[in-house]
Amino acid sequence: EVQLVQSGAEVKKPGESLNISCKVSGYSFTSYWIGWVRQMPGKGLEWMGIIYPGDSDTRYSPSFQGQVTISTDKSNTTAYLQRSSLKASDTAMYFCARHRGGSGGYFDYWGQGTLVTVSS
Amino acid sequence: SSELTQPPSVSVSPGQTARITCSGDTLPNQYGYWYQQRPGQAPVLVIYKDKERPSGVPERFSGSSSGTIFTLTISGVQADDEANYYCQSADSSGSSLLFGGGTKLTVL
Repeated sequence: EVQLVQSGAEVKKPGESLNISCKVSGYSFTSYWIGWVRQMPGKGLEWMGIIYPGDSDTRYSPSFQGQVTISTDKSNTTAYLQRSSLKASDTAMYFCARHRGGSGGYFDYWGQGTLVTVSS
Repeated sequence: SSELTQPPSVSVSPGQTARITCSGDTLPNQYGYWYQQRPGQAPVLVIYKDKERPSGVPERFSGSSSGTIFTLTISGVQADDEANYYCQSADSSGSSLLFGGGTKLTVL
């Protein structure tokens, strides 16, 4: 069974750093891209970027390029989303998801989401 | 920049047919995908590659594509279908993924 299990909710202060994890099981970790999607409170889905664990090839949305870092640890079949210098506007639910379909493509399995609250 | 446009809301009575559209300039060259998201839950893929249905998704969910418009059709709508629905595609190069703004389906 394919599973993506994300780390728990986080409460951060402005200026702090964030590191969310996404533990994958049930399929070959290095054979599929993994993506991250942001959902701000009451808003829609925003694609942040994707990474191919096999060779760490990473593609970022222009909106998030330079703002976040996506990485993986093959030994732990885990993907990570990192953000430094958090702002209140980073308050959101963050989802990881398995990507399929090559160029373009889509997400067929999703993590449960990690709620991040940034408040002083 | 490329965008996908959805109506903010659609309302139907139980048993009727709901149609949710998604328009975008890149759609003739890219596949369309649809996700269902219930409150407090992660999105769930309901249609991929314009009209394919993942295993486990009820047959009342179908997808179609014509020109610059994707359409998600839900036949015989049930109360359980009440959710937000998001279309997704990519820009013309396929290097950036795009989500529509979402459509709230209300079952009256």
